[in-house]
Amino acid sequence: DIQMTQSPSSLSPSVGDTVTITCRSSQSISNYLNWYQQKPGKAPELLIYFASKLQNGVPSRFSGSGSGTDFTLTITSLQPEDFGTYYCQHTYGTRTFGQGTRVEIK
Amino acid sequence: HLQLQESGPGLVKPAETLSLTCTVSGGSISTSSYYWGWIRQSPEKGLEWIGTVYYSGKTHYNPSLKSRITMAVDTSKNEYSLKLSSVTAADTGVYFCAGWSTVSDGFSLWGPGTTVKVSS
Repeated sequence: DIQMTQSPSSLSPSVGDTVTITCRSSQSISNYLNWYQQKPGKAPELLIYFASKLQNGVPSRFSGSGSGTDFTLTITSLQPEDFGTYYCQHTYGTRTFGQGTRVEIK
Repeated sequence: HLQLQESGPGLVKPAETLSLTCTVSGGSISTSSYYWGWIRQSPEKGLEWIGTVYYSGKTHYNPSLKSRITMAVDTSKNEYSLKLSSVTAADTGVYFCAGWSTVSDGFSLWGPGTTVKVSS
């Protein structure tokens, strides 16, 4: 069973900052990696698929990179509406999620 | 514009079967564009993928839950269902139905979620 580990578990950046969240898989998953954003009381929303492809309607300040076992979600020029929890998910067979990274705007 | 809505009891007794339905509106469930899935969330386990079902009835289950899960599609009602047997308190959480896009290879459609508590 492939495990997904995210870091950090939380962070408190300021508006305008660049934020980087990492996700590591326990074995190679090629580029079968998605990123989601979830706000309190709401369902998650798909941001990035196939590690680097931006979902329709998602602002271009969100970007993803990586392949194999190491992946990164980057948010440039952080906006107030970007608070929430971010999850990675591999799609290499099963659909396991990471444990999440909570972003609280300072 | 496809929309999803979960329905089912909010309270289930231990050892019984949890049954949920997801109604698809704004389009047909019999589309090749989506697989239909269930995800649950709890403070203890975070987000956990339960399984997906295609409109043809083909299923793909989380191996850790496979022995207790049944998912099915009812194309006449434009809905699909989840049955989880022999529930325990560990099955308490928010259950989401979601559409897995065959284009973006991710859950791009979500219902609002429904809270299920397992308790006597």
